[in-house]
Amino acid sequence: ELKVEQNPLFLSMQEGKNYTIYCNYSTTSDRLYWYRQDPGKSLESLFVLLSNGAVKQEGRLMASLDTKARLSTLHITAAVHDLSATYFCAVDMDSSYKLIFGSGTRLLVRP
Amino acid sequence: EAGVVQSPRYKIIEKKQPVAFWCNPISGHNTLYWYLQNLGQGPELLIRYENEEAVDDSQLPKDRFSAERLKGVDSTLKIQPAELGDSAVYLCASSLTGTGVGEQFFGPGTRLTVL
Repeated sequence: ELKVEQNPLFLSMQEGKNYTIYCNYSTTSDRLYWYRQDPGKSLESLFVLLSNGAVKQEGRLMASLDTKARLSTLHITAAVHDLSATYFCAVDMDSSYKLIFGSGTRLLVRP
Repeated sequence: EAGVVQSPRYKIIEKKQPVAFWCNPISGHNTLYWYLQNLGQGPELLIRYENEEAVDDSQLPKDRFSAERLKGVDSTLKIQPAELGDSAVYLCASSLTGTGVGEQFFGPGTRLTVL
């Protein structure tokens, strides 16, 4: 059974600081997705990572994928309050388009 | 381009009552998903359709849940009878599979409260 673990589950950080969220998964997969969810809202697609070594960047967020280590990271650079949200990684099980989500990382960026 | 549309947005019912949720996917998307999201957790897949066919319903509690996707477009998810533990957000998503990307786009969800 594929398991997806995120850490930390909760992150409180100051504006301007850098931090990394980690997503580990238990079986082989070449597709990993990052989503953002604001309170009471739906999930917004951030990044699609489709191969080993893939790196995607958008604004202050950068995501990477290491399929050999079964690890993806979401790096936050110079955080701002608008980044406060819950971030989920999701792994495609057996390239079947069945996504297994992590529990999410709740990010709070403090002034 | 319009996103995934769901209705209703909120629903409050008493236990043992039936309830139905409706989803209209992004135009042209052949694959439709229903997820359940409990508070503080990630979404969990209930059922996946490719066109009209349910290709993965292994996580759907079939004793009380049913779903259909007529004509391969809109979909309805039904619960009958609802139980207290069914209180959650029900999310619909769609994607264009076969292209290798498989990015799923989510609707706003239906928040169900069972009293």
